[in-house]
Amino acid sequence: AQSVTQLGSHVSVSEGALVLLRCNYSSSVPPYLFWYVQYPNQGLQLLLKYTSAATLVKGINGFEAEFKKSETSFHLTKPSAHMSDAAEYFCAVSRYNQGGKLIFGQGTELSVKP
Amino acid sequence: EAGVAQSPRYKIIEKRQSVAFWCNPISGHATLYWYQQILGQGPKLLIQFQNNGVVDDSQLPKDRFSAERLKGVDSTLKIQPAKLEDSAVYLCASSFSDAMNTEAFFGQGTRLTVV
Repeated sequence: AQSVTQLGSHVSVSEGALVLLRCNYSSSVPPYLFWYVQYPNQGLQLLLKYTSAATLVKGINGFEAEFKKSETSFHLTKPSAHMSDAAEYFCAVSRYNQGGKLIFGQGTELSVKP
Repeated sequence: EAGVAQSPRYKIIEKRQSVAFWCNPISGHATLYWYQQILGQGPKLLIQFQNNGVVDDSQLPKDRFSAERLKGVDSTLKIQPAKLEDSAVYLCASSFSDAMNTEAFFGQGTRLTVV
């Protein structure tokens, strides 16, 4: 069965510092991977997705993620944090041969200090 | 382009009462999902529709939860009777198709509190 693990339920960085949110997946076949962001009292918004075209994926708001098959990881990074990046971030995987439904990790709350 | 619309945004009910949530997906989206997001956890799929047919309802507690998508557009999710552990945000999402790499668009959710 496919699953997603996000290391660290809370991450705090200073404004301007590097953002690194970790995601590892378990899958018997190469999955499709997604990062979503959720602002308070809002739905989820897609940041970026990996669909096997390129291992380094660039998304919105300056975020990017690198698919590393050898490490079964899909970590999310941003070179310089902004106060507006404070939100909950979810890594998710599509289940192979099971339609487009998503299996989500437990989420990482990002705080940005001035 | 209008997004996924959900109502109500908030609902407080007593245990054993019933409640219904409504979702209007993005126009032209054939696939519709209902997810349950308990505080501190990631969303969990309850049910997936393809047009007006159910694709997957394996995680739906069928003794108390029901959902329908008549005419393949709007959808309603009902809980009867509600339990305390049903307190969560219920998210509706839609996508153009059920392909693995298709982006799902989420509504703002309905926050249910069962007291």
